[in-house]
Amino acid sequence: DAMVIQNPRYQVTQFGKPVTLSCSQTLNHNVMYWYQQKSSQAPKLLFHYYDKDFNNEADTPDNFQSRRPNTSFCFLDIRSPGLGDAAMYLCATSSFRDLRSPLHFGNGTRLTVT
Amino acid sequence: AQKVTQAQTEISVVEKEDVTLDCVYETRDTTYYLFWYKQPPSGELVFLIRRNSFDEQNEISGRYSWNFQKSTSSFNFTITASQVVDSAVYFCALSELVSNYQLIWGAGTKLIIKP
Repeated sequence: DAMVIQNPRYQVTQFGKPVTLSCSQTLNHNVMYWYQQKSSQAPKLLFHYYDKDFNNEADTPDNFQSRRPNTSFCFLDIRSPGLGDAAMYLCATSSFRDLRSPLHFGNGTRLTVT
Repeated sequence: AQKVTQAQTEISVVEKEDVTLDCVYETRDTTYYLFWYKQPPSGELVFLIRRNSFDEQNEISGRYSWNFQKSTSSFNFTITASQVVDSAVYFCALSELVSNYQLIWGAGTKLIIKP
């Protein structure tokens, strides 16, 4: 089945220690998104790629970076995680950029910062 | 400004009861899309339905039905004969064509179905 896969499912990192979360998709979608979701809140968009075109949300901290080496893979790098970065990180894809298309989500990576 | 309100933070019902989740939206645009997503305890958000602003026809999919009313800016979701597996957080979301790819999310409603 075509899907969006996130690894790892759970990630523990230390305060200030860089961490990378990964996402892969077999849907061949042009657009990939990274969302941050804190407990009991709606997802918050961090950035998205339309093909190789990177789009950062205005309020996404500089601490968060992303890479998309090819259509199938996208990475979220957190350069110096703080305690406030503990959250669920969700990767999503869509076939169109204008959000008429529904989002297809992975099952998320839950990040703990100690 | 665009906004999505899900006034019900948490709903708890006994299995087999019907339950309606409310969603009220605000938009400046005449062209927009509304969505419902389900997030079970496992964490993965699952797309349920999309409706565009020109299609006010209600939709039924098995035990799920959606009532879109532009006159009241509402897009409510009803689960008939609820089951324990319906327990999840449900998000309503809005996308305007002119909003530069922004998906505006409601705060979510946590639905608890008790056996």
